[in-house]
Amino acid sequence: GQNIDQPTEMTATEGAIVQINCTYQTSGFNGLFWYQQHAGEAPTFLSYNVLDGLEEKGRFSSFLSRSKGYSYLLLKELQMKDSASYLCAVRDSGGYQKVTFGTGTKLQVIP
Amino acid sequence: DTEVTQTPKHLVMGMTNKKSLKCEQHMGHRAMYWYKQKAKKPPELMFVYSYEKLSINESVPSRFSPECPNSSLLNLHLHALQPEDSALYLCASSQETTAHEQFFGPGTRLTVL
Repeated sequence: GQNIDQPTEMTATEGAIVQINCTYQTSGFNGLFWYQQHAGEAPTFLSYNVLDGLEEKGRFSSFLSRSKGYSYLLLKELQMKDSASYLCAVRDSGGYQKVTFGTGTKLQVIP
Repeated sequence: DTEVTQTPKHLVMGMTNKKSLKCEQHMGHRAMYWYKQKAKKPPELMFVYSYEKLSINESVPSRFSPECPNSSLLNLHLHALQPEDSALYLCASSQETTAHEQFFGPGTRLTVL
């Protein structure tokens, strides 16, 4: 099974940088996802890491260390519209490739 | 067409009703998923279909019955639900179960009275 931990809430200032951490313990690993979810809406895909290192995509970057069971999502030049929940999700390496979501981090961006 | 559509958007039903949720995608994806999401909780996987065959059933009660009539459609049949089944039901699809991204539909907000 998967055990995924994220901070429950974070607050950051518009224009700043924020790092959202995710740690996981897993019996099998085949990739880590980050999703953004605004209140009342469906999750939207942000990033995918399966190898160690940093993946950059515009204002968003995601880092993975498989040996440490650790990932972070880095958001730069924060905008008010970035206020949302950020979900870390881990995929199993078993035959069914099941994806399990963490409880999510609710980010509030303040002026 | 790069979206997953779900109908209805909202559904209110009694505990004795039978209803169905529908999901559709035209991206040629061969994996489709049903998730349940309660307020302030993450999505929880219910079912996975791969190439129109049920590959994962996460110990979901039999009052939820999935159906995949073809590669573009996914249904969730509901019968004799309980008030605690009230939640947002999300459908998602991906190229295959090993794909890097799942595309989510907007969800059906279900209320069971």
